[in-house]
Amino acid sequence: GIQVEQSPPDLILQEGANSTLRCNFSDSVNNLQWFHQNPWGQLINLFYIPSGTKQNGRLSATTVATERYSLLYISSSQTTDSGVYFCAVSGANSKLTFGKGITLSVRP
Amino acid sequence: DAGVTQSPTHLIKTRGQHVTLRCSPISGHKSVSWYQQVLGQGPQFIFQYYEKEERGRGNFPDRFSARQFPNYSSELNVNALLLGDSALYLCASSLWGSGSGELFFGEGSRLTVL
Repeated sequence: GIQVEQSPPDLILQEGANSTLRCNFSDSVNNLQWFHQNPWGQLINLFYIPSGTKQNGRLSATTVATERYSLLYISSSQTTDSGVYFCAVSGANSKLTFGKGITLSVRP
Repeated sequence: DAGVTQSPTHLIKTRGQHVTLRCSPISGHKSVSWYQQVLGQGPQFIFQYYEKEERGRGNFPDRFSARQFPNYSSELNVNALLLGDSALYLCASSLWGSGSGELFFGEGSRLTVL
């Protein structure tokens, strides 16, 4: 099956800093999603981005499908950005394969 | 519009018991998938159903089963519970059963097995 690697595993930022989270995947994909998991466990959809670039406020994402990676950019980070960020991909079926997640801590 | 709803939100069972978890997809969505997330890990795929038919099964034992009803809601059943079944169980819905298309997750059912 498809392998997903996320880096770095942990990230500590000062409030107001920018960051880049990376997701590498091992095969071509039909679906790539970025999620933020809140402290209660819910997965919040950030981007559905199998290819191209999207922006939503302080967040943006880019997927280069031919090179099998995606990047999530967080600008002017806030303490509320803290949590675990997951990248998940699927191939021909709808089975999402998740990476191990990136734990982000934003300090005031 | 309501998102994906799951019940119960929390439950405690003892080893050997049986549990049923329920999920209602977003209105108009025909596909439901189940995922298990143990502490410190990413979610792992258990099942996918589309139009009441099983479309995919992950690497889980036969103690795990699921079904989808005519109204597209779904149940996940786990028999003979083990301590290792303690986890957050997440349900996701999507419009279609194919690989493309965005998945939306519910808040999860947190199962503790004692």
